[in-house]
Amino acid sequence: DIQMTQSPSSLSAFVGDRVTITCRARQSISSYLNWYQQKPGKAPKLLIYAASSLQSGVPSRFSGSGSGTDFTLTISSLQPEDFATYYCQQSYSTPRTFGLGTKVEIK
Amino acid sequence: QVQLQESGPGLVKPSETLSLTCTVSGDSMSSYYWSWIRQPPGKGLEWIGYIYYDGSTHYNPSLKSRVTMSLDTSKNQFSLRLSPVTAADTAVYYCARDITAEGSYYYYMDVWGEGTTVTVSS
Repeated sequence: DIQMTQSPSSLSAFVGDRVTITCRARQSISSYLNWYQQKPGKAPKLLIYAASSLQSGVPSRFSGSGSGTDFTLTISSLQPEDFATYYCQQSYSTPRTFGLGTKVEIK
Repeated sequence: QVQLQESGPGLVKPSETLSLTCTVSGDSMSSYYWSWIRQPPGKGLEWIGYIYYDGSTHYNPSLKSRVTMSLDTSKNQFSLRLSPVTAADTAVYYCARDITAEGSYYYYMDVWGEGTTVTVSS
């Protein structure tokens, strides 16, 4: 299994802040990396696929970058509706594996 | 617009079988993979496995000995069976469509059901 490590596990930020979340794969996964947002009691929602492609309907303040083993999700200007938990997930091989999540909270 | 909806018992006894169905509406099941994912209370996401529209399957090795997936394209449904269950199988279970970007092999889960809570308890 490919282990995915996210950091930080949680962060506090103000509305308007630039936020960066990192995800590291234990081995190279090329660009087979997806990002999801999950709000309490809701299903995950796809934000970014193939490391940097923005899913249709997702605001452009979300962006993804990286390849190989190191990836980042950036929120350029944090909005109230962005407070949630974010997960990375690799689709390079099965079993698909997720990071443990990064909880973004209001400061 | 594609929608997925999980259904099944919310309470299962230890050592028995968990059975869930996901109903797909708004699109055909053809040419896609269909996944099951679960999330124990307060924890992260675990991929259980997927089934292709032709019926081929791939399961997480950690669950492989207990998992069976099937599909019925005539009803636009796919199903999960997990047996035998223990308290550690208590979780929210999600179904999702696993799709590739056109012309690529980049897979991602773009549509999810709302999830169904399954508790394993006597």
